Parts: sequence; C-alpha cells; structure tokens
Amino acid sequence: SQQGEEDPQALSIQEGENATMNCSYKTSINNLQWYRQNSGRGLVHLILIRSNEREKHSGRLRVTLDTSKKSSSLLITASRAADTASYFCATVHNSGGSNYKLTFGKGTLLTVNP
Amino acid sequence: DGGITQSPKYLFRKEGQNVTLSCEQNLNHDAMYWYRQDPGQGLRLIYYSQIVNDFQKGDIAEGYSVSREKKESFPLTVTSAQKNPTAFYLCASSMQGGQPQHFGDGTRLSIL
Repeated sequence: SQQGEEDPQALSIQEGENATMNCSYKTSINNLQWYRQNSGRGLVHLILIRSNEREKHSGRLRVTLDTSKKSSSLLITASRAADTASYFCATVHNSGGSNYKLTFGKGTLLTVNP
Repeated sequence: DGGITQSPKYLFRKEGQNVTLSCEQNLNHDAMYWYRQDPGQGLRLIYYSQIVNDFQKGDIAEGYSVSREKKESFPLTVTSAQKNPTAFYLCASSMQGGQPQHFGDGTRLSIL
C-alpha cells in the first residue's frame, strides 16, 4: 500500500513549544503533501514537497523529505492554541499517464494547551 | 470567494433509501474527488473525476455512484447497497491530478 502513516497518533504540547509529526510510506512518490483538519471541517492544504526536494518552509512550518528512508516530517515552530487540529500526510503516486493517486494517512491529532 | 460547497451539512438516511450529496466548485478545477472519513481514520477515496463526463472508481466505490455532467458539479449518491453509510463525506477538487486539493466542509451522513 502507498498509504502514509503518521507518528505519533496524538501529541499534546504547551503553547510556544515546537511540534514534530512524522510520516512514513512504502513505495516511490511524485510528491508528498501535508494537510490540516479542524474538528468537523474539511482539510486545508499546508505544503507540498516534491520527490527531488529535501526541505521546504512556509511561515512556521518546516517539512523535510528523505526518499531513501521513505519518510517525511512536519515541524510547527512556536505553536499556538489555534494550531490544535489533526494533521495528515498524503503521498502522491503516478500510476501512468495523467493518473495520479493521493493516499492519506490516519493523521496526528495535535493539541496545543494555552 | 472561490471554493467548494457541500450540502447538506447533515443528512439522515432511512433503510432502503438512496441519498444524494451535493458538491459544487467555482475554482475552475478539472479534477474532483469524493472521500469517506470514519472516526479516527484517514480519508478513503470513493470516486474521482479528472474531466467532465468521465470518472473512475476509487478504493471503496461499492454502494456509491457519481456523475460529472458539468465541470462545477460532482454529486455522490449513497445507494441502499451501501450497508454501512454512516460517515463524514468530503468532496475535493484540484487543478489537475496530483496537485493540492481544496476541500469542502463535508456532509455527515447518519442512519435513521
């Protein structure tokens, strides 16, 4: 299966601390994406990292990708209570032609305590 | 504002009934998707469409049907053949396959 698997399943930290979530996957990918989901809402795309990239930044977010280990990490620095949400990684695999499949992991539930 | 609109927000189904979930986007995206999310789980792909009048089965298509007659619209019908339909259903779109997806705010379907 292509499915990414996040680790840990749940993470609880204090405001101001950094939060690190990891994602592992099994086969080759075109890109890997991270999404955020607030309770009862749809997912929001955070960042995309291509298979030939190793690190990417967006504001307080830092994503790394290690294709040799088939893993990625999402770091949120200086966390805020508003960062409380579930975070999902999604791997993108090209199955031929213009057929791309996005496969989601089960997510990490991040709780940031004020 | 561009985005994806799903309706209704909550839906109840009776035994033997088909129900249709609406998904409309004004982002001019070619690709649209339907996912099912169960508590504590990730998203599982039901159906996707890369272009008008074409759609493909995802990982869990049994008991569901879709149509894509217009670029903006991708309705999902949950048929009576789907024996465990209680879940949170999410619709998404992207410019093309493999690119970041924009999501609606979901429809929560329950059994009466």
